[in-house]
Amino acid sequence: EVQLVETGGGLIQPGGSLRLSCAASGFTVSSNYMSWVRQAPGKGLEWVSVIYSGGSTYYADSVKGRFTISRDNSKNTLYLQMNSLRAEDTAVYYCARDSITMVQGANAFDIWGQGTMVTVSS
Amino acid sequence: QSALTQPASVSGSPGQSITISCTGTSSDVGGYNYVSWYQQHPGKAPKLMIYEVSNRPSGVSNRFSGSKSGNTASLTISGLQAEDEADYYCSSYTSSSTLGVFGGGTKLTVL
Repeated sequence: EVQLVETGGGLIQPGGSLRLSCAASGFTVSSNYMSWVRQAPGKGLEWVSVIYSGGSTYYADSVKGRFTISRDNSKNTLYLQMNSLRAEDTAVYYCARDSITMVQGANAFDIWGQGTMVTVSS
Repeated sequence: QSALTQPASVSGSPGQSITISCTGTSSDVGGYNYVSWYQQHPGKAPKLMIYEVSNRPSGVSNRFSGSKSGNTASLTISGLQAEDEADYYCSSYTSSSTLGVFGGGTKLTVL
């Protein structure tokens, strides 16, 4: 079965760090465009970061310099390292696959994880 | 403020058709055929309904269709059903950023 399972969310104090993991099954992470998308409570979707199959990475301005996306091919897992966390980073974080458009900057996220909640609060 | 503008809410009765608009600029919706639409039920992950303006992924009902005119993309749902009640988000490629942009979302209520 093709699926994504996120782990690593939780309650963290402002300024702290957290690493989210997204384990994939049924397909190969490194062959696809993989992204993190977040949704603050009661708000809309925000594309946070992407890692393309060739290894290029991009970030939203709101997280640039603080978040790092990466993947471990041996574990078929996607990661999001989040540092210097702020209250405004509070959100459900989804990992998502785009295997359809394969066009950098476009998105057609056909597989999503269930999401993991990150709460930044003192 | 979202880069793409969607109505906050739309409603319709079972069996009717509704259309949700998504307005951008020539730098995103109007300039490229990379508009996607997602459906999200409460507490659930989004689901891809339309990609590249008008293409449906396998398994998505043909009651869902997408189109574009100028800087505005549209999602039309025909034969409205109770299970269609959800939030809908559009997204587009943009030349202004390395990442695409989302609309603010539209809540569809089936009366």
